[in-house]
Amino acid sequence: GAVVSQHPSRVICKSGTSVKIECRSLDFQATTMFWYRQFPKQSLMLMATSNEGSKATYEQGVEKDKFLINHASLTLSTLTVTSAHPEDSSFYICSAAGTVSGNTIYFGEGSWLTVV
Amino acid sequence: LAKTTQPISMDSYEGQEVNITCSHNNIATNDYITWYQQFPSQGPRFIIQGYKTKVTNEVASLFIPADRKSSTLSLPRVSLSDTAVYYCLVGSGGGYQKVTFGIGTKLQVIP
Repeated sequence: GAVVSQHPSRVICKSGTSVKIECRSLDFQATTMFWYRQFPKQSLMLMATSNEGSKATYEQGVEKDKFLINHASLTLSTLTVTSAHPEDSSFYICSAAGTVSGNTIYFGEGSWLTVV
Repeated sequence: LAKTTQPISMDSYEGQEVNITCSHNNIATNDYITWYQQFPSQGPRFIIQGYKTKVTNEVASLFIPADRKSSTLSLPRVSLSDTAVYYCLVGSGGGYQKVTFGIGTKLQVIP
């Protein structure tokens, strides 16, 4: 299957700072990428959908100025958590879909963010 | 968006076949059914995908009745390493429609 990679897998940042998480599709062009967050023992919650070259569409309740998403190329999307606070600590997961992947969406390994 | 309903949890002994059923009553004509497996602190891993009837791969089978309002993931002879959360997703991957997750089914395999 197609491979989606996230970096970093774990990051710790200080409250008030910004942190960027990268999501790459390694062997296919991802026209659409999705960002999720997941709290312990809960399901994945969709944050936003991004299409290459256009602005991301955010889900209700997700602050677009806080969670900046950029999908500048067909293989890379980034999520920047700005002015992070401890309540932003979570597991962030991206997924990607493209013409090669057909009807299947593939997920990255996830990134643990801890804000201290 | 098609909403899915799955059992919250299931227990099974090692070596048994496990069947997890997902209901998706308002599935759309162009929606596919995809099952994912998730271990703690990992992203979901693709297991199998189907549109209708039966699909089988090296790890699982997927049974979809004619009305497509439900689907059953079948895991043959589970082992302890199959303990995970299993999610049933319905959507049009080809159209890159956003896909939302239900609560999933926590499968616990017992020695």
